Amino acid sequence: EDQVTQSPEALRLQEGESSSLNCSYTVSGLRGLFWYRQDPGKGPEFLFTLYSAGEEKEKERLKATLTKKESFLHITAPKPEDSATYLCAVQEGAAGNKLTFGGGTRVLVKP
Amino acid sequence: NAGVTQTPKFQVLKTGQSMTLQCAQDMNHEYMSWYRQDPGLGLRLIHYSVGAGITDQGEVPNGYNVSRSTTEDFPLRLLSAAPSQTSVYFCASSLTGAPYNEQFFGPGTRLTVL
Repeated sequence: EDQVTQSPEALRLQEGESSSLNCSYTVSGLRGLFWYRQDPGKGPEFLFTLYSAGEEKEKERLKATLTKKESFLHITAPKPEDSATYLCAVQEGAAGNKLTFGGGTRVLVKP
Repeated sequence: NAGVTQTPKFQVLKTGQSMTLQCAQDMNHEYMSWYRQDPGLGLRLIHYSVGAGITDQGEVPNGYNVSRSTTEDFPLRLLSAAPSQTSVYFCASSLTGAPYNEQFFGPGTRLTVL
């Protein structure tokens, strides 16, 4: 059974204080690993897809990396508008488009 | 493009009532799915569809029905609502092939069952 674990559950940062979120996964044949951002009262918003170990993707202050067992979402010099819950999800090769989500990391960036 | 739309945004039901949550997308996506999101449990897959006329069960399908008569629409039916179905429901859609298979989510329906 696919398992996705995110840590920490919550993260409080000062503006400009860089940090990393972790997503560890157990899946037989990774088809893709997805990062989403979710603001309160809204649906998840797609950020990145990573397909193979060693792959990296960047968007503004966010950078996602992937190894064979985990992914990291690095937030560089965060701003208050980066406050959100960040969700990680995996697709297994044999499961088509089905996503298995982790519990998320709530990030609060204080000015 | 409106993307993925869901109605209603909020709904209160009494135990035993039935209702349909609507979901539509205008991106010509083959794949559509329904999730529920509960505190401490994250997002869990209820049902999904890989195309018109084809549906299948996800992780938590009991108490819910779906059908897919068109590419655009994927309604979720609650047959006899129970308090355990109080949750936030999200519909999502995507293409089926990598590397364009990221799922796009709707704004959600917050359902309370009394």
